[in-house]
Amino acid sequence: DAGITQSPRHKVTETGTPVTLRCHQTENHRYMYWYRQDPGHGLRLIHYSYGVKDTDKGEVSDGYSVSRSKTEDFLLTLESATSSQTSVYFCAISGAGSSYEQYFGPGTRLTVT
Amino acid sequence: DQQVKQNSPSLSVQEGRISILNCDYTNSMFDYFLWYKKYPAEGPTFLISISSIKDKNEDGRFTVFLNKSAKHLSLHIVPSQPGDSAVYFCAAPAAGGSYIPTFGRGTSLIVHP
Repeated sequence: DAGITQSPRHKVTETGTPVTLRCHQTENHRYMYWYRQDPGHGLRLIHYSYGVKDTDKGEVSDGYSVSRSKTEDFLLTLESATSSQTSVYFCAISGAGSSYEQYFGPGTRLTVT
Repeated sequence: DQQVKQNSPSLSVQEGRISILNCDYTNSMFDYFLWYKKYPAEGPTFLISISSIKDKNEDGRFTVFLNKSAKHLSLHIVPSQPGDSAVYFCAAPAAGGSYIPTFGRGTSLIVHP
């Protein structure tokens, strides 16, 4: 299994509070991604990174920011959580050679009350 | 506008029979396709892929077929087993060698013993 961990694995927070989710990899892969999974929507890309300090928006980036100061860590921040951000968040990595395969973390279940 | 579509949200199959999961795409520039499998409370895992230079790729019980003229691919599982019960996602990296994939919304497969 690819070495990807996410923390926390579960979080309950209140509307309006800031939340940061962490993704850590030990594979030295170039690309890192944050997705959210919601019923009926599949996996939707929030933000991705193609190198240290190099990030870009995905299709559902509003309300989220990211940072990547080291190859192994990719942080997702909800500046002011809303109930619509209640979801399961997955981190993924890719970029080994010419492979398009992504390797996913175990997920973080976030509930905003 | 979905570029990768999985029009069947769910599929129910008897153990030992064939499961066929379908995926359609709209962008003729897509040149590589992947299937991922996801169990509840886990991250998706890579299952099988196919390049557009092929029309079939096989890995054990799993075979993916690609029909470029119809912009359609399908995943065949033969024989189906109860452990195959999961959500299956079709994905295509953006054209031109991009590592930023687009996912379908997934098909939930249930294999009955």
